[in-house]
Amino acid sequence: AQTVTQSQPEMSVQEAETVTLSCTYDTSESDYYLFWYKQPPSRQMILVIRQEAYKQQNATENRFSVNFQKAAKSFSLKISDSQLGDAAMYFCAYRRSGANSKLTFGKGITLSVRP
Amino acid sequence: EAGVAQSPRYKIIEKRQSVAFWCNPISGHATLYWYQQILGQGPKLLIQFQNNGVVDDSQLPKDRFSAERLKGVDSTLKIQPAKLEDSAVYLCASSPPVSGSYEQYFGPGTRLTVT
Repeated sequence: AQTVTQSQPEMSVQEAETVTLSCTYDTSESDYYLFWYKQPPSRQMILVIRQEAYKQQNATENRFSVNFQKAAKSFSLKISDSQLGDAAMYFCAYRRSGANSKLTFGKGITLSVRP
Repeated sequence: EAGVAQSPRYKIIEKRQSVAFWCNPISGHATLYWYQQILGQGPKLLIQFQNNGVVDDSQLPKDRFSAERLKGVDSTLKIQPAKLEDSAVYLCASSPPVSGSYEQYFGPGTRLTVT
């Protein structure tokens, strides 16, 4: 069974600084997708960034980028130039390739941003 | 484009009572998901529909939980009778009928408190 581990329950970052959120996963599959979701206090979950396992290049979305290490099964999220609006819970998630595969989430990490 | 709609947003019931949640997915999205998110944890998939057929309900406590998807569009999730441990946020998500990463779009959730 696939598992997703986020070992840091909380992190804090100064506004305008950079922070990295860690995630590891376990799978025997070779073709899969990894995601970071953001859940602000209003609780609507939104997708931040996705990574296809077959792509070697790390995904980037504006201030958000990932460090995908397939052999180490590691998938960290880097937030640059942190903003107050980045404060939220962040969930790492895994999904194997295939039409009806399910999304498996980690426990999440609470990120606070200090002004 | 309208997002995933859920109602009610909040519900407080006593144990052994019944409760129902409603979800309206994004128009044209074939796949619909119900998740349970207990405080401090990541969402856990309860049931997944493809159109109006069930794809995965392996983690649905079928002795008390039931779900249906009417005509492949709206869905309801019911709990009868409720237990204290059912207190959680119930998230509905949908995804479009295309191949690829199958990005899921989440609704705002229903926060259930069982007393």
